[in-house]
Amino acid sequence: QKEVEQNSGPLSVPEGAIASLNCTYSDRGSQSFFWYRQYSGKSPELIMSIYSNGDKEDGRFTAQLNKASQYVSLLIRDSQPSDSATYLCAVRGASNYQLIWGAGTKLIIKP
Amino acid sequence: DVKVTQSSRYLVKRTGEKVFLECVQDMDHENMFWYRQDPGLGLRLIYFSYDVKMKEKGDIPEGYSVSREKKERFSLILESASTNQTSMYLCASSWGQGFEAFFGQGTRLTVV
Repeated sequence: QKEVEQNSGPLSVPEGAIASLNCTYSDRGSQSFFWYRQYSGKSPELIMSIYSNGDKEDGRFTAQLNKASQYVSLLIRDSQPSDSATYLCAVRGASNYQLIWGAGTKLIIKP
Repeated sequence: DVKVTQSSRYLVKRTGEKVFLECVQDMDHENMFWYRQDPGLGLRLIYFSYDVKMKEKGDIPEGYSVSREKKERFSLILESASTNQTSMYLCASSWGQGFEAFFGQGTRLTVV
């Protein structure tokens, strides 16, 4: 059973600080990784995708991938209260190519 | 922008009713998916389709069926609704298998 693990949280971060969200996966052959943000009562929306080892930056968001250690992380700089949401990690499986989802980490940004 | 539209935002149905949830995407995506999301359980795949008239079971297909008669439309059918099917239902589409998925707004179904 291929798995994607996330700490459920809640992760509480002061406004203006860096929020760090982590995700580990079991399928060593996975090649594509995605971060989604989901506000309460809403549907998930894609915020970042990453395919190669290293960092990928987009505005205040940075995705980090380490395939050797099988983890992917999301950093949010200068955290804002509007960043308070659940963040879902999704990984493309190497065998059946389907997306495998983590259960999500709830992030709370405190003013 | 990709747009995935679900027919209802909220639905209340009675036990035993046949329920249809409709989903339409406007980006000519090959793949379409139905998930349900429950607190603490994350996203669970019910069914997906990679082509017109093609369907594959996901992780929790029991009690559900699907229909894809046109590329842009994917329907989820609850043959006889039960209270344990009360959930948030999310439709998604993607260019291909394992590509990023785009979600509809969700349907919160309550079965009483």
